[in-house]
Amino acid sequence: QKEVEQNSGPLSVPEGAIASLNCTYSDRGSQSFFWYRQYSGKSPELIMFIYSNGDKEDGRFTAQLNKASQYVSLLIRDSQPSDSATYLCAVYSGGGADGLTFGKGTHLIIQP
Amino acid sequence: ETGVTQSPTHLIKTRGQQVTLRCSSQSGHNTVSWYQQALGQGPQFIFQYYREEENGRGNFPPRFSGLQFPNYSSELNVNALELDDSALYLCASSLGLAGIDEQYFGPGTRLTVT
Repeated sequence: QKEVEQNSGPLSVPEGAIASLNCTYSDRGSQSFFWYRQYSGKSPELIMFIYSNGDKEDGRFTAQLNKASQYVSLLIRDSQPSDSATYLCAVYSGGGADGLTFGKGTHLIIQP
Repeated sequence: ETGVTQSPTHLIKTRGQQVTLRCSSQSGHNTVSWYQQALGQGPQFIFQYYREEENGRGNFPPRFSGLQFPNYSSELNVNALELDDSALYLCASSLGLAGIDEQYFGPGTRLTVT
């Protein structure tokens, strides 16, 4: 059973600070990792994806992957109230015939 | 906007009925995946269609079925609806197979079964 675990939160962060969202996964053979943002009542929106160990930066977002620890994180710098949403971690385990396995998401609140 | 469209937006059905949900993928994308998202949960993979053939299925019973058409649009059919089928149904398109290429979600169809 492939599992993706996230702290459901809510995670409350002051405006302008760094928000750190974490995700662990059970399948050591997982190949690619995705972060989606989902506003209440809306569909998930792709923010970042990462395939290799290390950091990947895109604007205010940084994804970090550590395959040895089976851990992936998302950092949001200079957090804005508009970043308040649920952040979903998704993992692809390979094989070509599987979809993404999602965590339940972390609810992030940016306090003005 | 991702360019992925879904219809209808909302739907109310009665237990035991059948429903068809529709999805048009982003231009150039030949893979469509369907997910079910219950309230407070992450999306769960139902199945994936690649070039008109089912290519991967999650832990869903056979009453969940699908089609992909030559223009890469897709349908999700659910027979013998149950109350637990109430959820947001998401269609996602990608250039290649899910996970190998990035998936982009449509706005979803909210299904309520009474």
